[in-house]
Amino acid sequence: QPQLQESGPGLVKPSETLSLTCTVSGGSISSSSYLWGWIRQPPGKGLEWVGTIFYSGATYYNPSLKSRVTISVDTPKNLFSMKLSSVTAADTAIYYCARHKSNSPSEPFDYWGQGTLVTVSS
Amino acid sequence: QSVLTQSPSASGTPGQRVTISCSGRTSNIGNNYVYWYQQLPGTAPKLLIYGNNQRPSGVPDRFSGSKSGTSASLAISGLRSEDEADYHCAAWDDGLGAWVFGGGTKLTVL
Repeated sequence: QPQLQESGPGLVKPSETLSLTCTVSGGSISSSSYLWGWIRQPPGKGLEWVGTIFYSGATYYNPSLKSRVTISVDTPKNLFSMKLSSVTAADTAIYYCARHKSNSPSEPFDYWGQGTLVTVSS
Repeated sequence: QSVLTQSPSASGTPGQRVTISCSGRTSNIGNNYVYWYQQLPGTAPKLLIYGNNQRPSGVPDRFSGSKSGTSASLAISGLRSEDEADYHCAAWDDGLGAWVFGGGTKLTVL
């Protein structure tokens, strides 16, 4: 079964760009059987889907974040990344990377990383 | 404000049966499968129910899901202390072209 691990800065200044990476082990990100996604959770609140990517580079984004988010994939390194621009305090959250159960974006997330807390503050 | 509506809290005593509800719209719950995630304190969510009422391997049959129209429910029977967690409902929304979630229900085992 795959293991996912998020990495990146824990503190980002307002108006700057938040960058996170998810490294996948125990499985190939190049498999045509799965999609890979990002989900975030503000402290004490519910979950919010950020976006999803296929190994080919095809992406699906939450319309509410689409103008600020870019997700990319690095198949040789078996990882995918997320960038969120022009961040504000409202972007403070635990960010999770996860695998979709199949190669459709409407399939649920069956494997998750442990999550990483990103705080937006000057 | 979450697209799907859940009560913020629920509680029960060991051995009891509790139900957690989730309300949405035609574009999400009405037209698509409902999923439930269990989030134990300080951990990542875990897929608990998929396809409205299917349990992944390893999930006890004490957990069951159902859907009717634009609402869904998660039932937990024979409540145990280790069931104390946040429970999130989720569905794909055709209108938004996005995953939508409930705000989560915090289950306390008294």
